[in-house]
Amino acid sequence: EAAVTQSPRNKVAVTGGKVTLSCNQTNNHNNMYWYRQDTGHGLRLIHYSYGAGSTEKGDIPDGYKASRPSQENFSLILELATPSQTSVYFCASGDGANSDYTFGSGTRLLVI
Amino acid sequence: DAKTTQPDSMESTEGETVHLPCSHATISGNEYIYWYRQVPLQGPEYVTHGLQQNTTNSMAFLAIASDRKSSTLILTHVSLRDAAVYHCILLANYGNEKITFGAGTKLTIKP
Repeated sequence: EAAVTQSPRNKVAVTGGKVTLSCNQTNNHNNMYWYRQDTGHGLRLIHYSYGAGSTEKGDIPDGYKASRPSQENFSLILELATPSQTSVYFCASGDGANSDYTFGSGTRLLVI
Repeated sequence: DAKTTQPDSMESTEGETVHLPCSHATISGNEYIYWYRQVPLQGPEYVTHGLQQNTTNSMAFLAIASDRKSSTLILTHVSLRDAAVYHCILLANYGNEKITFGAGTKLTIKP
């Protein structure tokens, strides 16, 4: 079954440390996305990718980097984690209009 | 620069039919209308999508106005499991799309 899998499910990081969130999709979709969602708020787009080797800035890219080494994998990197980056992060994959976009189950990140 | 407008919240009772409205007055001819729903602590779940014709699947019926400036997601015989935030989103068929979410409509279901 096609799916989007995120790892880890939960992460505790220290301020100033490096954090890497991973996402793997078996949908063979070209497009992949990283969002964050804070309590009581909607999803906000951080970075996205059109395919292997490409990354694009979303609406709130500051403090985050992204990497798309292959069609299947899309990583979100926090080089210097800060407490303000404590959030739930969702990855998604899709293939343009007229295809369904699939979301992962989320990674809960706590930066202390 | 929200492209869709939805009510903040709606309420219904188990077993009833719910009509969730979405206004998209500036929709372009190549934009599809998508609906997703999200429950707390989970990622958004695809519900349905359409371009011009009404569509139906096991989850919902999507009614699209003839001028495409509005749509309604219709949920029949709702249960407590249908309680969620429902998002109406527009996606153009360019092949490379940036999906952005608004606040959506929080649907509460009473027993």
